[in-house]
Amino acid sequence: AQSVTQLDSQVPVFEEAPVELRCNYSSSVSVYLFWYVQYPNQGLQLLLKYLSGSTLVKGINGFEAEFNKSQTSFHLRKPSVHISDTAEYFCAVRSSNTGKLIFGQGTTLQVKP
Amino acid sequence: SQTIHQWPATLVQPVGSPLSLECTVEGTSNPNLYWYRQAAGRGLQLLFYSVGIGQISSEVPQNLSASRPQDRQFILSSKKLLLSDSGFYLCAWSVGGGAADTQYFGPGTRLTVL
Repeated sequence: AQSVTQLDSQVPVFEEAPVELRCNYSSSVSVYLFWYVQYPNQGLQLLLKYLSGSTLVKGINGFEAEFNKSQTSFHLRKPSVHISDTAEYFCAVRSSNTGKLIFGQGTTLQVKP
Repeated sequence: SQTIHQWPATLVQPVGSPLSLECTVEGTSNPNLYWYRQAAGRGLQLLFYSVGIGQISSEVPQNLSASRPQDRQFILSSKKLLLSDSGFYLCAWSVGGGAADTQYFGPGTRLTVL
């Protein structure tokens, strides 16, 4: 069965610093990977997705993620964060043989001035 | 472009009362529709999904039910709410149905059961 682990529940960082939000998954077949962002009291917004091809995926708001098959990881990165990036971030995975999207527990990114 | 609506945005209901949450999608046909619940401090739990009118799959046994009376309308209901039904309810849509299709989420409904 597939699963998703977001290794950090909270990540505090200062404004303009780089950040990495970690995501590991387990699956015995090919996977499709997603990162979503949720601002307070709002729905989830798609940041980026990996379906195939280049392992480095660029998304909205300056975020990018790298698919690493050997490490079964899909970490999210941004070189310089803004106060407005403060939000909850969810990693999600769907394996090629199921239709169910599995979400991690989320990581709260807290950007401090 | 496609848009997804949910209402109401917030709801406070007493224990034992009925529930009806509505989700509608515009700008697409025959979408796959999903209901998720997000409890405080926790991730998303898939409750129901639908691939067409009248076709509902339930992921977990619970006090809730779902219906899809029209192609782009998805309704979440309960006859008698429990305290544990409190949470943030999210509707999502996708097209295609394959493993690579992307789900897009609505703004959510905050339900508080007292």
